[in-house]
Formats: sequence, C-alpha cells, structure tokens
Amino acid sequence: EVHLVESGGGSFQPGGSLRLSCVASGFNFGIYWMHWVRQAPGKGLMWLSRIEGEGPTTAYADSVKGRFTASRDNSKNTLYLQINSLRVEDTAVYYCARHGATIDYWGQGTLVTVSS
Amino acid sequence: QSALTQPRSVSGSPGQSVTISCTGTDSDVGGYDYVSWYRQNPGKAPKLLIYDVYERPSGVPHRFSGSKSGNTASLTISGLQAEDEADYYCHSYAGEYTSVFGTGTTVTVL
Repeated sequence: EVHLVESGGGSFQPGGSLRLSCVASGFNFGIYWMHWVRQAPGKGLMWLSRIEGEGPTTAYADSVKGRFTASRDNSKNTLYLQINSLRVEDTAVYYCARHGATIDYWGQGTLVTVSS
Repeated sequence: QSALTQPRSVSGSPGQSVTISCTGTDSDVGGYDYVSWYRQNPGKAPKLLIYDVYERPSGVPHRFSGSKSGNTASLTISGLQAEDEADYYCHSYAGEYTSVFGTGTTVTVL
C-alpha cells in the first residue's frame, strides 16, 4: 500500500527558512516523479513543484521559483521541500504526492504557519 | 500559471446529475489530454477520481465521468449521493513539467 507521511511543519517567523520532509513507502520511490502541493486555510489547492525520480529535473510554480527547492534522497525514500524567506502567505497545509499516470497518491499533509 | 476556472458551487438532489466545468487555456487544458479530477472532504487529502480526461482509477464508481472540449474539461457525477458532498478540483498538465489546479467547486446534495 502506498503511504506518504509529511513532517517538518509548525510555527515559523517571516523571513525564516524551513525544510519539509515526506517519507514514502509501499512503492518503488526512486522511479516516480513526486509533487509538492499546498492549500492555504479555506482556500484551494496550489501546485508548487515536481521532481523527477532520479532528481535532476525539477519544475516550480512561477510564484515560488527561487524561494522553494525540491530535492530527494532515494536511498532514504524521502522527498524534501526547502522554503526560504518565509512569508505570511506561505501559511498552508503542504502535501507531497506521487505521480503515477497523474498525481495519484497524497500524504496527509503538514501544516506550516508563518506569523510574527 | 493561472488557476483553472471552476464554478464556486453546484448542487443537485439525490439521484440527479451534476456537471462541474474547468476552463483553462491552450497552454494547459486545451493543449494536453492530461486533465485529472479530485474530490476532497473536509480535513482530508484529495482523492483521485479521473485522470487523462476520462479514465477512472480502479475503485472509482462509474457514475463519475470526465470529458473535454477545447479549453474546457468537465466532470459529471450521475446518480448523486449524499456522500458526494465535497470539494472538487480539476488539475491539468501545463507544459515543461508544470501543473495547475482549478479554483475548486463545492458540491451540495440538496
């Protein structure tokens, strides 16, 4: 069974940095593209990033390019999202998700709150 | 990468059909047959309902169907049930490995 578990969320101050993690199990993690998606409180889904199975190819939403960095460690079955220069508007639940034929499996999400 | 446009809400009585539209551009919905639909219940992660415009993953009931015409994709729920009350999101590939989601639609069962 596919299982994705995010962690690293919490309360942060504007201008700070954080790294989210997503541990995968139940499938061959290293051959799948993976995504990060976020959802601000009471708002819709926003696609953030996609990273290739072997890691070198990444893509980002224009609005987060330069501040967000996706990476992965296939030896640890773990996906990461580094967020720098945190803004209040980064407050959201952050989901990692697997790309099969499309985004098919999602984690339960981790809440990031940015406030002073 | 502007969000795809969905109606804010749709409603129907049990047993009726409802259709949710998802309008994009030639650069996303209209340019690729990679449209997916998700249902999200409160406090939960989204669940995949439709992929590649009209394909259903195993376990998704046949009363969920997808289609596309030009820059607009649609999700139809036939035989509406109380459990279908949820938020629904479309998603499209947008080129160069990027994606975009729709604005979301709340389905209410009257």
